[in-house]
Amino acid sequence: NAGVTQTPKFQVLKTGQSMTLQCAQDMNHNSMYWYRQDPGMGLRLIYYSASEGTTDKGEVPNGYNVSRLNKREFSLRLESAAPSQTSVYFCASSGQGAAYEQYFGPGTRLTVT
Amino acid sequence: AQSVTQPDIHITVSEGASLELRCNYSYGATPYLFWYVQSPGQGLQLLLKYFSGDTLVQGIKGFEAEFKRSQSSFNLRKPSVHWSDAAEYFCAVGVNTGKLIFGQGTTLQVKP
Repeated sequence: NAGVTQTPKFQVLKTGQSMTLQCAQDMNHNSMYWYRQDPGMGLRLIYYSASEGTTDKGEVPNGYNVSRLNKREFSLRLESAAPSQTSVYFCASSGQGAAYEQYFGPGTRLTVT
Repeated sequence: AQSVTQPDIHITVSEGASLELRCNYSYGATPYLFWYVQSPGQGLQLLLKYFSGDTLVQGIKGFEAEFKRSQSSFNLRKPSVHWSDAAEYFCAVGVNTGKLIFGQGTTLQVKP
């Protein structure tokens, strides 16, 4: 089992460019999440999908969109990248509900110049 | 509002010494509590979790944590630290929708 995979691992964008971060899990989990990690801020939830076909905003959704393509895949799109979106992005998945731990991917390091 | 506070941003301990990382949470209901570890350049790995029952929980890599409801705390401990324990540690509380709220993290440095 690969667990949670993310592509790409690194990306450099210019301000105003768009890109999609891909995430896939092979653990048959219902719930998937996108976080960003910035120094001193911990991990902050951008969007989550409690189950296939549903998505909801997290703490910091502005400037992002998501698509739950199927049960396995959950993508994060930056339509017009800004320097403030320079961060490390993590995807995670879990069973549905608070009692389940989340499993994290290796992260995508994004720099916006 | 739900929140998690890790009061110590950086901690340095000598190899072989004991370790305690502090975590305080604010949550109205019975909390689901987690500790994760992140090695440099890696994703997060679950160390241990508390849902109910025994307030002292054992995790991987020799870590344990104690839930104290009266103090709203869930501190992480290890009796003897190894150099490979150097990493960033995150405490988190799970809310009823399945989301996690993370603390700011504590970076552990281990001196030889």
